Amino acid sequence: DSGVTQTPKHLITATGQRVTLRCSPRSGDLSVYWYQQSLDQGLQFLIQYYNGEERAKGNILERFSAQQFPDLHSELNLSSLELGDSALYFCASSSYTQGATNEKLFFGSGTQLSVL
Amino acid sequence: AQKITQTQPGMFVQEKEAVTLDCTYDTSDPSYGLFWYKQPSSGEMIFLIYQGSYDQQNATEGRYSLNFQKARKSANLVISASQLGDSAMYFCAMREQNQGGKLIFGQGTELSVKP
Repeated sequence: DSGVTQTPKHLITATGQRVTLRCSPRSGDLSVYWYQQSLDQGLQFLIQYYNGEERAKGNILERFSAQQFPDLHSELNLSSLELGDSALYFCASSSYTQGATNEKLFFGSGTQLSVL
Repeated sequence: AQKITQTQPGMFVQEKEAVTLDCTYDTSDPSYGLFWYKQPSSGEMIFLIYQGSYDQQNATEGRYSLNFQKARKSANLVISASQLGDSAMYFCAMREQNQGGKLIFGQGTELSVKP
């Protein structure tokens, strides 16, 4: 068990809808990362938050947004969903020390999103 | 440009034999870290091993070792004495010091261990 909790585990929805994925980081970790894993794109970094502030942005679509709350849990909001958004969405956490290269990410079990 | 390249989409290995999974990377940052993760069919991402760009020795963790060739920009994972439970996807990843905490992942290699 990584200590990172993601809910829900599975989500089935229709095109055009909006969903929210939730992540609780490991106790003590201040940084949360969101990744999208699909067969054609592999594991793509979406966005990182550190202690409530956006830290880094990757290939995140404008239809997607995220935030990290004061209790450090994070939510990824996906709107105007398209078939191509079907993927496994991972949340990961780390303590994050600026300049450190050795901190591993602890991953949640993922949310499998199916857009029909 | 692809920062992490894993050229072997799939590999087979006989149980109890050693196998090498290839990873090359591209960065201009002198300080970086290289990671390997395992993703079994159940889907979770499991950390295996880490190598820092300034580490003089190759990293080892049990049956896993990392063959780090800095000049070639390669960080190959070696699994010794393969077990059936090693069948999984393996991802190489890199963190650059000046790019925050995110890891950039390669496309992965699917390893199948045959009995």
